[in-house]
Amino acid sequence: EVQLVESGGGLVQPGGSLRLSCAASGFTFSSYWMHWVRQVPGKGLVWVSRIKTDGSDTRYADSVKGRFTISRDNAKNTLYLQMNSLRVEDTAMYYCARETAVPGTYYEDYWGQGTLVTVSS
Amino acid sequence: EIVMTQSPATLSVSPGERATLSCRASQSVSSNLAWYQQKPGQAPRLLIYGASTRATGIPARFSASGSGTEFTLTISSLQSEDFAVYYCQQYNNWPLTFGGGIKVDIK
Repeated sequence: EVQLVESGGGLVQPGGSLRLSCAASGFTFSSYWMHWVRQVPGKGLVWVSRIKTDGSDTRYADSVKGRFTISRDNAKNTLYLQMNSLRVEDTAMYYCARETAVPGTYYEDYWGQGTLVTVSS
Repeated sequence: EIVMTQSPATLSVSPGERATLSCRASQSVSSNLAWYQQKPGQAPRLLIYGASTRATGIPARFSASGSGTEFTLTISSLQSEDFAVYYCQQYNNWPLTFGGGIKVDIK
């Protein structure tokens, strides 16, 4: 069974940093591209970032480019999101998600339960 | 950035009735469209990909169609477990973008 378990969320002041983790199991983690998607409570879904199987290719939403860094440790089956210079508008539930293995397509086929990040003074 | 617009924002339906949800893209996304279901306090769940293909384990009462800029998700006979928020997502262009969601609630 595919499982994705996020952790690392919490309360942080504006300008602060936080690192999110996503522990993967039930599939060959190193074979899948991975994503982060966020959702302000009560609002819609917003794609944040994507990383290639070996970590050599990454992509970011403009709203987080230069502040967030996605990475992975395939030996530990773990995905990360390093978030720096946090803003109040970064407050959201952050989901990690697996990208489909269907070639040439990029939708997310499995999602974790999310970890809540609150940026507030 | 491609803007995805979903309508209506809320759809009130009686159990056993049909629900039809719409999604429109600001430019063509071909058939690169997915639908997700999200229940309160839960992660999104993939329902449909490729505009019309049901994901693994999704009941046949869920069907979808469309291409280009106009897409539809139909739930043929609403069950109690189908009351949720539904999002469409385009994956034809970066960044990936989602619609604002349609809440299907009990009439």
